[in-house]
Parts: sequence; C-alpha cells; structure tokens
Amino acid sequence: NAGVTQTPKFQVLKTGQSMTLQCAQDMNHNSMYWYRQDPGMGLRLIYYSASEGTTDKGEVPNGYNVSRLNKREFSLRLESAAPSQTSVYFCASRVGTGYKNIQYFGAGTRLSVL
Amino acid sequence: GENVEQHPSTLSVQEGDSAVIKCTYSDSASNYFPWYKQELGKGPQLIIDIRSNVGEKKDQRIAVTLNKTAKHFSLHITETQPEDSAVYFCAATYGNNRLAFGKGNQVVVIP
Repeated sequence: NAGVTQTPKFQVLKTGQSMTLQCAQDMNHNSMYWYRQDPGMGLRLIYYSASEGTTDKGEVPNGYNVSRLNKREFSLRLESAAPSQTSVYFCASRVGTGYKNIQYFGAGTRLSVL
Repeated sequence: GENVEQHPSTLSVQEGDSAVIKCTYSDSASNYFPWYKQELGKGPQLIIDIRSNVGEKKDQRIAVTLNKTAKHFSLHITETQPEDSAVYFCAATYGNNRLAFGKGNQVVVIP
C-alpha cells in the first residue's frame, strides 16, 4: 500500500518553463489537495478537489492549474514558472466524512525556479 | 476564512521534560482540530486529533486540550525523547473540505 505518491521528488526549472507535478493515491479517497510549504509560512492550500470531476481554488491559486484526471490522480501544473514558485509542494488525500478531515500526505516535490 | 496562529515558533526542551505548543483559531464554526508531525524530508503525518465537543484527548505520551470558548487548543508531549524532534503543525477545519494550518513549530529535544 503506497499511500500518496508524488513525482518527481526534485526539479529545477528556469523562469518561464512549464511543468506538471504528479500525484496519485491508492486509498480510494474522494478528496485530494495541493499545498505549498515555504519557510515560516506553514502549509498553504493551492487547489483542492472534493471529488472526481470537481476542483476549487484554495488560498494561493495564482500561477497554477490543476486536473483531477480520475479518482486516483490529481496533477498540478505551472504554466510559466516564476522564482516565487520555488517551494516544496505536497499532495494529500482525505479520509473521513463529516467533521473528520484526516489528510495523508505524500513525501513532497522540491522545486527550484531559477 | 479560518486563521490559525501557532506559538512559539521554536521550542527547545531537555530530554525527559514536557513540551507544550499552543494554537488559536478564529472561526467559531471550526469543529475538528488535528495535529501533524513533520520529520525532516518527509510529508506531515497525523499524530492526534480532537473534536470540538471534547475537551481533552490522550494517546500515550501526547495529549491535546481544547478550550472552545477561548478558541485555543494545545499539544502536550510528556517525557520527550530525541525522536520527538520535528516540526509540529496544528490545524482547524473550515468550509466542508478544508484544513487551515498554523505556521509550524520546530521542537528540538536536547539529549
């Protein structure tokens, strides 16, 4: 049982380049999330998908797009990378309904934009 | 939206002593408060959670307390060990599907 798998683990981009961060979960969870983690800023929500076929903006969506490809996969795309997008990106999926919101996180993608 | 404040940002404790991390939240509608532990190079992992209709919950050496009136909740780690060194995040629910996280607290256990 792999849980939440993120690829790649590390990436270096030049300003203006595009890339897609991949995330897959094998726990049959409905909801999935993308966060970014910056020093002293905690975890900030970029986009989330409450269920297959739906996506919603989070706290910091500018410069990103997402695709919920199917129930397992939720990708994050940077169309034109900027140095301000240098960060560690985490994907998570949620178990629990109602008040329970337990999120399982992947190991992260460390992105540097030069 | 929900705003979660977490203090202190860094905490150093001697091995065997207790550590306490405090968080406050702004949205009175929040009803679920998880705590996550993040080890170096890894993603956050849930360690304990509490629902708004409960005042305290314990799991071995860790406990969480909640004061709903004051809108604050705390993580207590007793008999700290070196493997407790990590970053700890508090969080609170908002909306139907989201968690708002605090900025994290670096706990260093000194052997």
